[in-house]
Amino acid sequence: AQSVTQLGSHVSVSEGALVLLRCNYSSSVPPYLFWYVQYPNQGLQLLLKYTSAATLVKGINGFEAEFKKSETSFHLTKPSAHMSDAAEYFCAVSEGYGGATNKLIFGTGTLLAVQP
Amino acid sequence: DAGVIQSPRHEVTEMGQEVTLRCKPISGHDYLFWYRQTMMRGLELLIYFNNNVPIDDSGMPEDRFSAKMPNASFSTLKIQPSEPRDSAVYFCASSLAGGGLNEQFFGPGTRLTVL
Repeated sequence: AQSVTQLGSHVSVSEGALVLLRCNYSSSVPPYLFWYVQYPNQGLQLLLKYTSAATLVKGINGFEAEFKKSETSFHLTKPSAHMSDAAEYFCAVSEGYGGATNKLIFGTGTLLAVQP
Repeated sequence: DAGVIQSPRHEVTEMGQEVTLRCKPISGHDYLFWYRQTMMRGLELLIYFNNNVPIDDSGMPEDRFSAKMPNASFSTLKIQPSEPRDSAVYFCASSLAGGGLNEQFFGPGTRLTVL
């Protein structure tokens, strides 16, 4: 069964600093991986997704993630944090081969705080 | 497009009462998902529909929960009777041609409090 683990439930960075949110996955089939962001009192919004094309995936708002099979990781990064990046971030893996079950398995989330 | 619409945004009820949550997916999307989010359990998929037909309800916690999708533009999640442990934020999401590959668009959620 597929799963994702997000290391660090809370991450705090200074404005302008590098953002690094960690996600490791477990999957017996080639995984499809996603990062979603949730702003306060809102639903989740897709940041980016990996579906077996380029291993470095660029998303919205300057975020990117790199798929590393050898490390079973899909960490999310942004070179320079902005105050508006403060939110909760969820890593997810698609269940089943090729996303066949149409279900996403979400991690427990990482709350990002950005200090001025 | 207005996005996924959920109502009500907040619901406070007493234990034993029936609760109905409503969702209008994005027009043209053929998949609809109901999720529950709590601090303890995170984000859980309860049930999803494809073309108005329930495909997987393995996440529905118990018989007190039921979901319907009478047409392509409306779905309900009902809890009867409600219990305090049902307190959570319930999200509806929709996607085009499968939620395992394609973006799921989430509604703003319904915050349910059962006293």
